[in-house]
Amino acid sequence: DAKTTQPPSMDCAEGRAANLPCNHSTISGNEYVYWYRQIHSQGPQYIIHGLKNNETNEMASLIITEDRKSSTLILPHATLRDTAVYYCIVRVARAAGNKLTFGGGTRVLVKP
Amino acid sequence: DGGITQSPKYLFRKEGQNVTLSCEQNLNHDAMYWYRQDPGQGLRLIYYSQIVNDFQKGDIAEGYSVSREKKESFPLTVTSAQKNPTAFYLCASSISLRGNEKLFFGSGTQLSVL
Repeated sequence: DAKTTQPPSMDCAEGRAANLPCNHSTISGNEYVYWYRQIHSQGPQYIIHGLKNNETNEMASLIITEDRKSSTLILPHATLRDTAVYYCIVRVARAAGNKLTFGGGTRVLVKP
Repeated sequence: DGGITQSPKYLFRKEGQNVTLSCEQNLNHDAMYWYRQDPGQGLRLIYYSQIVNDFQKGDIAEGYSVSREKKESFPLTVTSAQKNPTAFYLCASSISLRGNEKLFFGSGTQLSVL
């Protein structure tokens, strides 16, 4: 599975959009981009995933560049409860592609 | 409510002792996983299971053992051979092992050595 690179930390103002970048320059054509987040001392929570097209759900939007080498997770109106570590992961959709390992992620602090 | 239940929330191990962490799911998922998380670090895969009576080693399986006798249960034993067991342990499940299906996580067990 392709490796991802994320900034270690970022701050965001409450009520503003938070844009979280992820670099996956070695991604292959059959690998999905997934985002999870982990609030302190809890299990990670699924946010969103995509293959080629931009995706949106009730939690966030995922923007994938045309060459698929990078993506951005957008939290449209950050709240204090969005403070968490956000993980970007790429993985293939074949059998056994789900045995993934999470990297260090981006520690997001939403400030009042 | 459907989900994954891990117990206990906190567990203490004495030197030379084996301890078992429980993970139960009622999501009817075939695949289950165990991850270890050290402070400030990401998650590392210990073991995973694709189906009942089958399991595979992950990246850091040494000092750990698992069983999958029932679809809904995937207990993890931390043996005395694991010399640095203090960590946060997370269990997860998914419909199958295919990479386009999302993982559901339990709330974790914090294991500490006395």
